Amino acid sequence: GESVGLHLPTLSVQEGDNSIINCAYSNSASDYFIWYKQESGKGPQFIIDIRSNMDKRQGQRVTVLLNKTVKHLSLQIAATQPGDSAVYFCAETLGFQKLVFGTGTRLLVSP
Amino acid sequence: KAGVTQTPRYLIKTRGQQVTLSCSPISGHRSVSWYQQTPGQGLQFLFEYFSETQRNKGNFPGRFSGRQFSNSRSEMNVSTLELGDSALYLCASSLRGPDNEQFFGPGTRLTVL
Repeated sequence: GESVGLHLPTLSVQEGDNSIINCAYSNSASDYFIWYKQESGKGPQFIIDIRSNMDKRQGQRVTVLLNKTVKHLSLQIAATQPGDSAVYFCAETLGFQKLVFGTGTRLLVSP
Repeated sequence: KAGVTQTPRYLIKTRGQQVTLSCSPISGHRSVSWYQQTPGQGLQFLFEYFSETQRNKGNFPGRFSGRQFSNSRSEMNVSTLELGDSALYLCASSLRGPDNEQFFGPGTRLTVL
């Protein structure tokens, strides 16, 4: 499949562990943030989003935390599974403006 | 419902040629965005169309252009191809634009020789 990044930071975890992927965003005025998952050979897949008027949002096995003071976003994955292995991107946008993606983090889950 | 489709999936061109890529959004979605993905630069925004109008444009040269048709299908064109244009070109559709959930297609892998 296509390579999405040859020099991405990598997080290696064991199956069943909790994973935390961090992201520093660039625009303090951004009001919408999204986490995407990209598997080899596929386009990015939406995981969870959060608006700037919130600091935490939970989904199924995933939680996104937003710290606007330090412009930091994190994605927590509970009970990580081998199928979670992928590259994870954070993205930010302001209103209808373009989506700006972070550089990505590769998550490797070993059984 | 059917997802975002992109054609062709793979393309090989030579320097100086031009190329047209196509994207069919999810039915009912009026916003289509295009992105370029490379190992060195990551995912970069090219442009976004909504109801046949370009609303936003990224920092790419004028060789990169696009359009959207009345049925929301979109095309992007790259003229006078350069080696550095080799990339995965991704299309994403959404109901309103980048401020709500975008659904990505599988991409078109363009190789310029």
